[in-house]
Amino acid sequence: DTEVTQTPKHLVMGMTNKKSLKCEQHMGHRAMYWYKQKAKKPPELMFVYSYEKLSINESVPSRFSPECPNSSLLNLHLHALQPEDSALYLCASSQDRGGFGNIQYFGAGTRLSVL
Amino acid sequence: QQQVKQSPQSLIVQKGGISIINCAYENTAFDYFPWYQQFPGKGPALLIAIRPDVSEKKEGRFTISFNKSAKQFSLHIMDSQPGDSATYFCAASMTGGYNKLIFGAGTRLAVHP
Repeated sequence: DTEVTQTPKHLVMGMTNKKSLKCEQHMGHRAMYWYKQKAKKPPELMFVYSYEKLSINESVPSRFSPECPNSSLLNLHLHALQPEDSALYLCASSQDRGGFGNIQYFGAGTRLSVL
Repeated sequence: QQQVKQSPQSLIVQKGGISIINCAYENTAFDYFPWYQQFPGKGPALLIAIRPDVSEKKEGRFTISFNKSAKQFSLHIMDSQPGDSATYFCAASMTGGYNKLIFGAGTRLAVHP
C-alpha cells in the first residue's frame, strides 16, 4: 500500500477562519512533507518533517502552522489566510532522508479556496 | 544553482508518436532525478527515476536518458497514448538534503487520437 490520504478534499474558508488539513500514511515512512501547488505550476515545498521533527521551513508565513503528532500523521493548521493562499495543498511521505530510491509518495491534495 | 530548467512548456503529440521532454540542472551535487506524472485533480505520482551513474533507464514505454557531462536528462514516451495526457515534472534532489525535491516548471502533454 503506497497511499497517502489527505482530508478534506476541498475546503472553502473565510479570511478569519481557522481550519486544519490532515495527512495520513501507513507505510512506515519517517519523512513527511507539505507542498503548495498553484495552477499550472510545480509543487512548492513548504515544510519537511523528519522523524517527527521539523527539518525544513521554507520561510512560510506563520498563518500556516504544521504539526506532526506521530510518524503517521501530519497536520497543517490554517489561520487568517489570504485569498492568494488559495491553492492545492499536497502532502507527501518518504522512507528516509535523501538518497536514490527515496521515493516521495504524494496524496491527492486538498483544494483550498480562501474567500 | 538550485534550479532545474524544463522544456517545452507544452507538447502536442499524435497517438503512437514519441514525446520528448528535456531538463537541465546546474548543481552537480544532485544525485537523484525522478520524473513525476500528474493528472488534473490528482497529486504527482512517480513515473521513473535515474541516478547519475546510469546513462539510460527504461520502464515499459518510458525511458530516461541522462547526460552527466552536459547536466541534462530527458524523458521519452514511446508509442504515446491519449491516456498519457498529463503534466510531467522533472525533479532533482541530493543525498543529505532532506530529500528536498527541486522541480522543473512542468510540461503539459496532450496526445491526440
